[in-house]
Amino acid sequence: DTGVSQDPRHKITKRGQNVTFRCDPISEHNRLYWYRQTLGQGPEFLTYFQNEAQLEKSRLLSDRFSAERPKGSFSTLEIQRTEQGDSAMYLCASSQTNNEQFFGPGTRLTVL
Amino acid sequence: AQTVTQSQPEMSVQEAETVTLSCTYDTSESNYYLFWYKQPPSRQMILVIRQEAYKQQNATENRFSVNFQKAAKSFSLKISDSQLGDTAMYFCGDSGGSNYKLTFGKGTLLTVNP
Repeated sequence: DTGVSQDPRHKITKRGQNVTFRCDPISEHNRLYWYRQTLGQGPEFLTYFQNEAQLEKSRLLSDRFSAERPKGSFSTLEIQRTEQGDSAMYLCASSQTNNEQFFGPGTRLTVL
Repeated sequence: AQTVTQSQPEMSVQEAETVTLSCTYDTSESNYYLFWYKQPPSRQMILVIRQEAYKQQNATENRFSVNFQKAAKSFSLKISDSQLGDTAMYFCGDSGGSNYKLTFGKGTLLTVNP
């Protein structure tokens, strides 16, 4: 296992379409986080899973966003009815309890 | 609400010299960590150094060290013997609460010149 992986790395979509991103954490990491990073900003927290339970969601996560982590392994982040303001880098990170968070390479979303 | 402020949007340093990046934070958590991550161009975030807030001794990792001033809520990063590979965006932040989510500053773009 070489680290956190994310798929796809790039996604271009038209406004109004639905998109889904996948994150595969480091195996045995029980904590998984999603962040969003826009140009010139630091990453902002979106949501957090401990095992399969989604324990916290940011107010940034509107009702068009949904995240899952079935069986406490990989996670998906879906955005419905995408808007141009959703264009950003979506980062996934995993950790073991409160230790260092390891980040994936991110999925860059462009909404036209 | 947790806030992290990095007052230097960009900095540059000559190779082999020392540079210090500034960071202040404001958290209501009693147990928290402070950290610096680097994000090289088109590459993923990597942890540079982490400090537990309850520890008074400043953390060091090879050429990287921090100056943690808890009362002033200041957490600066010193990079000694700067190398070209240190060129990156550096993010300061804190982590606390039951979920240990990370709160980042806006970053400082560091360029190391040959």
